[in-house]
Amino acid sequence: EAGVAQSPRYKIIEKRQSVAFWCNPISGHATLYWYQQILGQGPKLLIQFQNNGVVDDSQLPKDRFSAERLKGVDSTLKIQPAKLEDSAVYLCASSGLKQGRDYGYTFGSGTRLTVV
Amino acid sequence: GNSVTQMEGPVTLSEEAFLTINCTYTATGYPSLFWYVQYPGEGLQLLLKATKADDKGSNKGFEATYRKETTSFHLEKGSVQVSDSAVYFCALRYQAGTALIFGKGTTLSVSS
Repeated sequence: EAGVAQSPRYKIIEKRQSVAFWCNPISGHATLYWYQQILGQGPKLLIQFQNNGVVDDSQLPKDRFSAERLKGVDSTLKIQPAKLEDSAVYLCASSGLKQGRDYGYTFGSGTRLTVV
Repeated sequence: GNSVTQMEGPVTLSEEAFLTINCTYTATGYPSLFWYVQYPGEGLQLLLKATKADDKGSNKGFEATYRKETTSFHLEKGSVQVSDSAVYFCALRYQAGTALIFGKGTTLSVSS
């Protein structure tokens, strides 16, 4: 079974530029998460989708971050404009049930963003 | 609110030493508890989990017991190897369908 795919793996941008990250979850997983992991810290939830609806975006800085999950499959996270403190690894994860069994969370390899 | 507190690292051990990484949590109700591991250059991988009080999760020689009376889920291994060098994250899920809440992570370095 294919894992959670993320792209790009690395991105370097200047502050005030915009950037977008893409995530393709495990096939059939209804729930998709975006996390921000700053160096030396644990992942922090930015947004959670259930199918194509937002379940929790309470920690998403909505003045500069946006995310969508069209058709309940792939998702895109955007930052515009970027700040230096946005330098982090952005992790995508998915979870779901299959025939009533909880298969837990699967994480992608992440996108490492450096803002200079 | 719900949160996880892990012992500060880094933890430096010699091969075959005993490992304990402390984890305590604050949560309403009865959360599920997890340990994830992140090897250098790799993504987060589930190491073990426990879904109710007194459950013991185990995998690859690592163990952790869900202690509701002390709100703890300490990770232990009897004899560490160099290949165990990684960052370990304790996490909780306070109810089904919600996101994981992570601790800050503990870096383990094992030397031969």
